[in-house]
Amino acid sequence: EPEVTQTPSHQVTQMGQEVILRCVPISNHLYFYWYRQILGQKVEFLVSFYNNEISEKSEIFDDQFSVERPDGSNFTLKIRSTKLEDSAMYFCASRESVLSPLHFGNGTRLTVT
Amino acid sequence: QKEVEQDPGPLSVPEGAIVSLNCTYSNSAFQYFMWYRQYSRKGPELLMYTYSSGNKEDGRFTAQVDKSSKYISLFIRDSQPSDSATYLCAMSRNTDKLIFGTGTRLQVFP
Repeated sequence: EPEVTQTPSHQVTQMGQEVILRCVPISNHLYFYWYRQILGQKVEFLVSFYNNEISEKSEIFDDQFSVERPDGSNFTLKIRSTKLEDSAMYFCASRESVLSPLHFGNGTRLTVT
Repeated sequence: QKEVEQDPGPLSVPEGAIVSLNCTYSNSAFQYFMWYRQYSRKGPELLMYTYSSGNKEDGRFTAQVDKSSKYISLFIRDSQPSDSATYLCAMSRNTDKLIFGTGTRLQVFP
């Protein structure tokens, strides 16, 4: 069964550094998302992306965050200058159409020290 | 009032039991309702996806939506130790972002 893949599984970085989290959505999917889950808290929406532009973003998704689909397969989340409170699991998700369910990857655990 | 409320548990049941997991919500505009299963340090795995009110069954799993009461449920029949995980409810207004509950941790013991 096709799946969303994310790399790396764990990223450790120092405060103030830039990180790029990578995702390969399911191949025929057109809608892409990033969600975040801080340890012990609920999964929270960050951003949705369709047709090479952001469709919606949450209050969390400030100017330090950006997303990109650099080619036909990858979807990336960049955090320009990481803060301690950015430490979380970051999940990429995709779906085929607006009426299809969302499928998640296994996440990247980001630790900011 | 939180938009989506879910008892965090933990819920501990013996193997073979029927499990009932529930969420309540406040936004009457929610139309799409999902249940995800999440194992430790893994991503949410879709279990059930329903639109509007009614029941949906898939194997040992049954999802119920009662929009009049703003209440959704997931039933697991003949529960197995492998069902031990955190169960997340999620919902959306139409085609936009999902709003998740906090998750209920389930443990099924042999």
